[in-house]
Amino acid sequence: QSALTQPASVSGSPGQSITISCTGTSSDVGSYNLVSWYQQHPGKAPKLMISEVTKRPSGVSHRFSGSKSGNTASLTISGLQAEDEADYYCCSYAGRSTYVFGTGTKVTVL
Amino acid sequence: QVQLVQSGAEVKKPGASVKVSCKSSGYTFSSYGITWVRQAPGQGLEWMGWISVYNGNTKYAQKLQGRVTMTTDTSTSTAYMELRSLRSDDTAIYYCARSEDPFFDYWGQGTLVTVSS
Repeated sequence: QSALTQPASVSGSPGQSITISCTGTSSDVGSYNLVSWYQQHPGKAPKLMISEVTKRPSGVSHRFSGSKSGNTASLTISGLQAEDEADYYCCSYAGRSTYVFGTGTKVTVL
Repeated sequence: QVQLVQSGAEVKKPGASVKVSCKSSGYTFSSYGITWVRQAPGQGLEWMGWISVYNGNTKYAQKLQGRVTMTTDTSTSTAYMELRSLRSDDTAIYYCARSEDPFFDYWGQGTLVTVSS
């Protein structure tokens, strides 16, 4: 199972919006609306930000939103803030009770 | 509050085995699964596998089949991940996470496993 493809880095200025893509195949992202997104600050454990493509867990800022089209899922961060600087990973169900993570994207707030 | 607390860092020689524990609290342990994820130094997250606490069913990543075993002890609300025949490329931080399929909503703090001769 190959990792989902994410851009290595995305940057934006405070207040701007950025979008991180997550490209898989028809066997994972394209077949299931079961993509989640995780935020990881340096030296910390990942934190769930989005589940099932668009669902935002309690306590997660409304500035984070998710979407999907075909084999590509996306995470959008609006009103970028300094605290959003972190690594972000997508994860998709890949069938037969297995999951696959994305390659990860480093978000830099300029 | 939900907490997953993992065992401490380990240093192992190539060929040895390691067993990492993950003690859960703040929720009904048997109502969720436990997923294990690892992260090599400077690298991304890798899904290792999952265990149903309810019935013990497991699913492992194909690349780890035969070397990994995931178990749980419901009497202590603790999950375990054992990895055998360790190699240098198994050096990583190992995380446990509560599985609320299809996502992982609470994570342990991570356990660094170093494989070195």
